[in-house]
Amino acid sequence: DAGVIQSPRHEVTEMGQEVTLRCKPISGHDYLFWYRQTMMRGLELLIYFNNNVPIDDSGMPEDRFSAKMPNASFSTLKIQPSEPRDSAVYFCASSLVRTSGTNEQFFGPGTRLTVL
Amino acid sequence: AQTVTQSQPEMSVQEAETVTLSCTYDTSESDYYLFWYKQPPSRQMILVIRQEAYKQQNATENRFSVNFQKAAKSFSLKISDSQLGDAAMYFCAYIGRGSQGNLIFGKGTKLSVKP
Repeated sequence: DAGVIQSPRHEVTEMGQEVTLRCKPISGHDYLFWYRQTMMRGLELLIYFNNNVPIDDSGMPEDRFSAKMPNASFSTLKIQPSEPRDSAVYFCASSLVRTSGTNEQFFGPGTRLTVL
Repeated sequence: AQTVTQSQPEMSVQEAETVTLSCTYDTSESDYYLFWYKQPPSRQMILVIRQEAYKQQNATENRFSVNFQKAAKSFSLKISDSQLGDAAMYFCAYIGRGSQGNLIFGKGTKLSVKP
């Protein structure tokens, strides 16, 4: 399996522009997570999905952020309009619930976003 | 609310020596999982080791082992025979057994390995 795939790996944009980050989870996994990593706040959970349905979006910072999961193999995180304080590394992770599982989450390589 | 604390922002170890990274957590739950993730300069988050709270035996994975003290809510990571490739950020993380989403991370410890 190729693991969790994220694109792009790097994104540089100007303030006010729309940014779309993409994620393909591991095939067969039923949970998908979006995290943001900054020096100041560390790793924060933004939102997660179960079977393509958003379960908890309480970590989404504000209405400029939105996430979708139209099918089991694809998710997007959109920022519109982007601001310099959105600059961070955004991770996507996926997991498979097992009755005796350890809830291990597998992370993608991340997208480094820079908003100028 | 659950919290995870890593009190050592940076650590250093000589190659081939042993180093211990500290992690404490706070929770009212009785059943949960604890993890150590490694993040090298490539940014990839790599699971190093996991511990299930209901298991008293400390988890081990090759050169990596944990000292899990449930009563003290402590979960330290020991790296034996340190190698240059062990240099990375290490994150301690917690998740309740019944929770799928809320993987709570500590702030991380930056480990340097000296040749």
